[in-house]
Amino acid sequence: SQTIHQWPATLVQPVGSPLSLECTVEGTSNPNLYWYRQAAGRGLQLLFYSVGIGQISSEVPQNLSASRPQDRQFILSSKKLLLSDSGFYLCAWSVLQGLYGYTFGSGTRLTVV
Amino acid sequence: QKEVEQNSGPLSVPEGAIASLNCTYSDRGSQSFFWYRQYSGKSPELIMFIYSNGDKEDGRFTAQLNKASQYVSLLIRDSQPSDSATYLCAVKAGLTTDSWGKLQFGAGTQVVVTP
Repeated sequence: SQTIHQWPATLVQPVGSPLSLECTVEGTSNPNLYWYRQAAGRGLQLLFYSVGIGQISSEVPQNLSASRPQDRQFILSSKKLLLSDSGFYLCAWSVLQGLYGYTFGSGTRLTVV
Repeated sequence: QKEVEQNSGPLSVPEGAIASLNCTYSDRGSQSFFWYRQYSGKSPELIMFIYSNGDKEDGRFTAQLNKASQYVSLLIRDSQPSDSATYLCAVKAGLTTDSWGKLQFGAGTQVVVTP
């Protein structure tokens, strides 16, 4: 069966520090991968999606970036965090262009102080 | 206009009653529709999907789709306190408008089931 791993679960980082969040998927090949952010009490905001290794599309211009170095690995990064980067970061995967929906990881709660 | 709209709630429902959640969407080419449940502090969990007009039942949950009117609804029968959560509606874009078929999420409806 397919599983998605996301870590860390919580993170407190100072303003201006770098960020690296990792997501890996097991049990499937060539998944579509997504990074979402959910601010407190808000909806899901799609940040990046990837259809394959090295293929990244950005939905929202910001100081975040994403990379997909391996088929089932998706990394979200920032060189310098802002207070506004605080939120709940979710990785998700799908197959068949999301025909059966997306499956989300457990999320990382990031607080920038 | 938002592409997927839901009432934010909170929707207060007595235990044992039916909770009715609605969602409207703007893309007439949308083909697939999903309901996610998100408990506070947790990630969204897929609970229902529907592709065809009409009703689809799964246990205490019923999804209803009306493509002509561009709405999808979720009924929760015999509501339990454990159903208290935020319910997200998601719509998969039609291939004619988005060849990639990304899901568009609504902002969610908070449901509170009171004992």
